[in-house]
Amino acid sequence: QQQVKQSPQSLIVQKGGISIINCAYENTAFDYFPWYQQFPGKGPALLIAIRPDVSEKKEGRFTISFNKSAKQFSLHIMDSQPGDSATYFCAASPYFDFNKFYFGSGTKLNVKP
Amino acid sequence: DAGVIQSPRHEVTEMGQEVTLRCKPISGHNSLFWYRQTMMRGLELLIYFNNNVPIDDSGMPEDRFSAKMPNASFSTLKIQPSEPRDSAVYFCATSTGGSSNQPQHFGDGTRLSIL
Repeated sequence: QQQVKQSPQSLIVQKGGISIINCAYENTAFDYFPWYQQFPGKGPALLIAIRPDVSEKKEGRFTISFNKSAKQFSLHIMDSQPGDSATYFCAASPYFDFNKFYFGSGTKLNVKP
Repeated sequence: DAGVIQSPRHEVTEMGQEVTLRCKPISGHNSLFWYRQTMMRGLELLIYFNNNVPIDDSGMPEDRFSAKMPNASFSTLKIQPSEPRDSAVYFCATSTGGSSNQPQHFGDGTRLSIL
């Protein structure tokens, strides 16, 4: 059973466009939501993370939007660049076992020049 | 700063052989995680340690898998005997641990192929 559902599976965006990746969860015990970026042959690397006490967090061109009532969160990549082409994973971690991360299935982003 | 170091980067072996994957955590990180990544199942947590003690091994697929952390700077994941379905990329990740969520830092993985 997938604890965190991620969509779309793949995404093609033109350079300069906005990439949007969505995640949804059911477990209300989740209280930490990181996003990871993975390039081929590399391990996932933390991109940005949010806690449910805020609805939005921005770091450079990357923004997480969080909707607690809908139990959904999304990653927006503004002004997408070819160098952003990678696989993106959302994750969630419960307050009672904060070491345990449940990962989404991943979104492969391809930014066309 | 050195990140999480995994070895070997690639391993190809025949079914039935013992496989040992190694991980050196980031200095000062008290929590260590072993993950497996496949196309079918995505990124799965196999086991994690806090202060060298195994805390949750519920993700270990079966008794053929074992993990140890003899000290704060080294961990192994062993598969004996190996099977073709164990083929995957295995990641080690570490974090500072503590009393709240902390980001996990991943190594570059070991790509394992069992023939």
